[in-house]
Amino acid sequence: QKEVEQDPGPLSVPEGAIVSLNCTYSNSAFQYFMWYRQYSRKGPELLMYTYSSGNKEDGRFTAQVDKSSKYISLFIRDSQPSDSATYLCAMSGGTNAGKSTFGDGTTLTVKP
Amino acid sequence: KAGVTQTPRYLIKTRGQQVTLSCSPISGHRSVSWYQQTPGQGLQFLFEYFSETQRNKGNFPGRFSGRQFSNSRSEMNVSTLELGDSALYLCASSFQGHTEAFFGQGTRLTVV
Repeated sequence: QKEVEQDPGPLSVPEGAIVSLNCTYSNSAFQYFMWYRQYSRKGPELLMYTYSSGNKEDGRFTAQVDKSSKYISLFIRDSQPSDSATYLCAMSGGTNAGKSTFGDGTTLTVKP
Repeated sequence: KAGVTQTPRYLIKTRGQQVTLSCSPISGHRSVSWYQQTPGQGLQFLFEYFSETQRNKGNFPGRFSGRQFSNSRSEMNVSTLELGDSALYLCASSFQGHTEAFFGQGTRLTVV
């Protein structure tokens, strides 16, 4: 079983929809939780970073972390065609300094 | 503030050759991590360097090695290339290794 499981895609939504992306994990040592966006043939771009449990909002993006359930989510409000990309969750912490464990990614398409 | 710079962006090598990839982290960041990204395996951790010391290593054969210089720039070397080494190689820099990491655009290596 993988340490990080990400909801498989692909996901296709109409412009303006609310998008929910989710990951679960098994390693209770994880304390740092990240969401990356990756466009085709580019490196991942850090979208959101959260330490421990709680919510964090940045514009149209909201990240939620529930450590008790080992579950994290990224919500995108008012989705735009430019949001079409692959979204990766990542986690780190414990003794694994400098190592982030990634989900397999969810490919999102926002249709105009 | 300049981002993470990886060179070269593209490489084509022949099976059996060796290759060296370079990564210049964000100024002030002391941690550099390397990842291999392939369609089938996703993002897999190779190793992490912090202040010129390898702190963490993933499950890759000894053909994959790296180093970090006093200015935090890092290099990754792959010897005796195999066809399966064809991938996007990404480096990520962060301040301490546990905090949010910023990725470069990657080096796309093709082994023929």
